[in-house]
Amino acid sequence: DIQMTQSPPSLSASVGDRVTITCRASQSINSYLNWYQQKPGKAPKLLIYTASTLQSGVPSRFSGSGSGTDFTLTISGLQLEDFATYYCQQSYSTPWTFGQGAKVEIK
Amino acid sequence: QVQLQESGPGLVKPSQTLSLTCTVSGGSISSGSYYWTWIRQPAGKGLEWIGRFYTGGSTNYNPSLKSRVTISVDTSKNQFSLILSSVTAADTAMYYCARASNYGSKKALDYWGQGTLVTVSS
Repeated sequence: DIQMTQSPPSLSASVGDRVTITCRASQSINSYLNWYQQKPGKAPKLLIYTASTLQSGVPSRFSGSGSGTDFTLTISGLQLEDFATYYCQQSYSTPWTFGQGAKVEIK
Repeated sequence: QVQLQESGPGLVKPSQTLSLTCTVSGGSISSGSYYWTWIRQPAGKGLEWIGRFYTGGSTNYNPSLKSRVTISVDTSKNQFSLILSSVTAADTAMYYCARASNYGSKKALDYWGQGTLVTVSS
């Protein structure tokens, strides 16, 4: 199985901050990397697919980059509604695997 | 707009079989090129991919569950199902059904159900 490791596991930030979450794969996954946002009690929501493509309807303050083993999710100008847990997921090979999550909390 | 809705018992006894159904609306489960997927999440923990059914007819399962899991499709009802046998407390989780779409050769889970909580307890 491909292991996905996110860092940091949690962070505290203020509205307006720029936030960066990283995801590292245990082997190269090209750009077969997706990012999801999950709020408490809700299903995950697709934010970014193929490492850098914004899903329709997702605000442009979200961006993704990377290829191979190292990936980044950036939120430029954190908004109140962005406080949530973020997961990366690889679709390079089955079993599809997720990172352990990165919780973005209010400072 | 595609919508998915999980249904099934919320409580299952240890050693018994968990059976969940996902009803799809807003699109046919047998058309297009999609992966109909089950994912679970224990309380306070991360996401685990259980397996998927491809509209072309193939299925793939997580090796960690493979001996206990079956995913099937009922196209007449526009539903797909999860069967997990010999459950233990470790199978207690929120279970989500989801659809994965192709983006070129890459795939992403673009539609999710709201989830259904299954507790394994006597």
